[in-house]
Amino acid sequence: GAVVSQHPSRVICKSGTSVKIECRSLDFQATTMFWYRQFPKQSLMLMATSNEGSKATYEQGVEKDKFLINHASLTLSTLTVTSAHPEDSSFYICSARDAGSPLHFGNGTRLTVT
Amino acid sequence: AQSVTQLDSQVPVFEEAPVELRCNYSSSVSVYLFWYVQYPNQGLQLLLKYLSGSTLVKGINGFEAEFNKSQTSFHLRKPSVHISDTAEYFCAVSEGGATNKLIFGTGTLLAVQP
Repeated sequence: GAVVSQHPSRVICKSGTSVKIECRSLDFQATTMFWYRQFPKQSLMLMATSNEGSKATYEQGVEKDKFLINHASLTLSTLTVTSAHPEDSSFYICSARDAGSPLHFGNGTRLTVT
Repeated sequence: AQSVTQLDSQVPVFEEAPVELRCNYSSSVSVYLFWYVQYPNQGLQLLLKYLSGSTLVKGINGFEAEFNKSQTSFHLRKPSVHISDTAEYFCAVSEGGATNKLIFGTGTLLAVQP
């Protein structure tokens, strides 16, 4: 079945640095990818929707200059957390779909900013 | 605007007992409904989905859900739970369309006790 690979699964970075998270669709072309953020014991909050070759659409309240999303190919989207701060520590999950197909989720990335 | 309500944050149940996890939604248009399961520090796995047709939907791991339009509900049920069913369960709604953006409920922790 379709698989979405997310890397890294865990990352620790120092405050002020940037970190990149990759989301790859392994056996299908992901025309649309979604990035979610999940705080401990809370639900998933949609951060942005990205379509291949175009700019991402950010949800209200999400800083596009802080959370840079690039969807340069049909199999790869990246989320870069720039100038990370401890409050950015969270679980980030990507999901991907092809036209007419259901969403497939990655296994998430646990970001800890010290 | 669409929204999803999961009234129970946690549902404790004994092994081999039946369980129902409640989900109510609000939307002004027709919706697609989903249930996902999340194990600790992992992404989401699709349990089942309602797109159209029969209102009783069967999913993986013995789970089923019933779409009730008049009550705007999509409750998840399993006749006999196992210890391995312990996880967080999320109900989600999508108004369809090309983006299939999902809006998640706050989740219900199913805690199966021996």
